[in-house]
Amino acid sequence: AQTVTQSQPEMSVQEAETVTLSCTYDTSESDYYLFWYKQPPSRQMILVIRQEAYKQQNATENRFSVNFQKAAKSFSLKISDSQLGDAAMYFCAYKRSAEKLVFGKGTKLTVNP
Amino acid sequence: GAVVSQHPSRVICKSGTSVKIECRSLDFQATTMFWYRQFPKQSLMLMATSNEGSKATYEQGVEKDKFLINHASLTLSTLTVTSAHPEDSSFYICSVRKAEGGGNSPLHFGNGTRLTVT
Repeated sequence: AQTVTQSQPEMSVQEAETVTLSCTYDTSESDYYLFWYKQPPSRQMILVIRQEAYKQQNATENRFSVNFQKAAKSFSLKISDSQLGDAAMYFCAYKRSAEKLVFGKGTKLTVNP
Repeated sequence: GAVVSQHPSRVICKSGTSVKIECRSLDFQATTMFWYRQFPKQSLMLMATSNEGSKATYEQGVEKDKFLINHASLTLSTLTVTSAHPEDSSFYICSVRKAEGGGNSPLHFGNGTRLTVT
């Protein structure tokens, strides 16, 4: 079974600084998709960024970028120029095609003013 | 605007009663909807996959007779917690995938339902 591991239960960053959230996963498949979701206190799950495993280029969405290392099965999220509104729980997730989404346990990010 | 509407957002019920939670896809048809459960400070755990026009697929350990899922149309799935007990108190979230979406189509999530069983 696929598993997703987020080794950092909590992280903190100063406003305007950069922070990297770690995620590793275990799979024997070669074709899959990876996601980072943000869950603010409102509990709404918001898609931050996604990556197709067949793409070597790391995905980027404005201040959010990933470091996808397929061989190492690593998918870290970098948040640049952190803002107070970035404070939330961040979940890394994996899925194959139309199969279910498997989430990591999450990392709570605090942004200090 | 919101893509998925989940109702109610909060519900308090007495032990032994049943509660129905609705999940509506507002912008597109969804042949598949997912129901997750999230305990405080924990991750989302998939409970079941709701398939339009057919029986739901439940994850291991989830009682299908207790958590009834109905997906009668391409825009609506319901989760009914039957004979609720305090241990069923949790945050329930639905998610939707576009019917015509490919494998990398992201899931759109509802705002969740906070269920408290007294």
